[in-house]
Amino acid sequence: GAVVSQHPSRVICKSGTSVKIECRSLDFQATTMFWYRQFPKQSLMLMATSNEGSKATYEQGVEKDKFLINHASLTLSTLTVTSAHPEDSSFYICSARQLHPVSEQYFGPGTRLTVT
Amino acid sequence: AQTVTQSQPEMSVQEAETVTLSCTYDTSESDYYLFWYKQPPSRQMILVIRQEAYKQQNATENRFSVNFQKAAKSFSLKISDSQLGDAAMYFCAYRRGGSNYKLTFGKGTLLTVNP
Repeated sequence: GAVVSQHPSRVICKSGTSVKIECRSLDFQATTMFWYRQFPKQSLMLMATSNEGSKATYEQGVEKDKFLINHASLTLSTLTVTSAHPEDSSFYICSARQLHPVSEQYFGPGTRLTVT
Repeated sequence: AQTVTQSQPEMSVQEAETVTLSCTYDTSESDYYLFWYKQPPSRQMILVIRQEAYKQQNATENRFSVNFQKAAKSFSLKISDSQLGDAAMYFCAYRRGGSNYKLTFGKGTLLTVNP
């Protein structure tokens, strides 16, 4: 159990365009999901906390107008990178919080974004 | 703010041997959780082991065990009988207790297992 999926696994987009990444909890409901960014050979950096039915909470230094998060249902959160630039190229990972039977976070497989 | 420090950027171990990865953390909270996550080349984050701060007994999961020293704020991971599949980046992570589920990660330790 406790499977989290992300789509797409890889995406290449042109500078100035927007790209959407989906995070789904497949076998449980997640009122809270998290979005992380990971640069090569570095740790995970929390970008924002996504709460179902309410606005996301962004970490300090993360541009909320650039990284739009929508958590419209208990199993789906989306991250949209708007007006992408090459410096937005990174590995984006989501996690979903499961409450029952064990209260814990489970991670998706990640999305590799390359902006050309 | 909570911080998590992993002082070993890289470690190596011979297959079937034992290796210990170090982690220290800083917090003023009394209710918290500590984790070790494994990130293999596939980049999928996998929970290896979890420790509740209120538990004195060290957590164990098969070949993986921790040495939790609460007073010293130390949380090391011991991998026994190392296998080639254990090769990965290992992250130590901290989470406060309560409803805030935000994780704070260390910088990671890259473990190489030599045949």
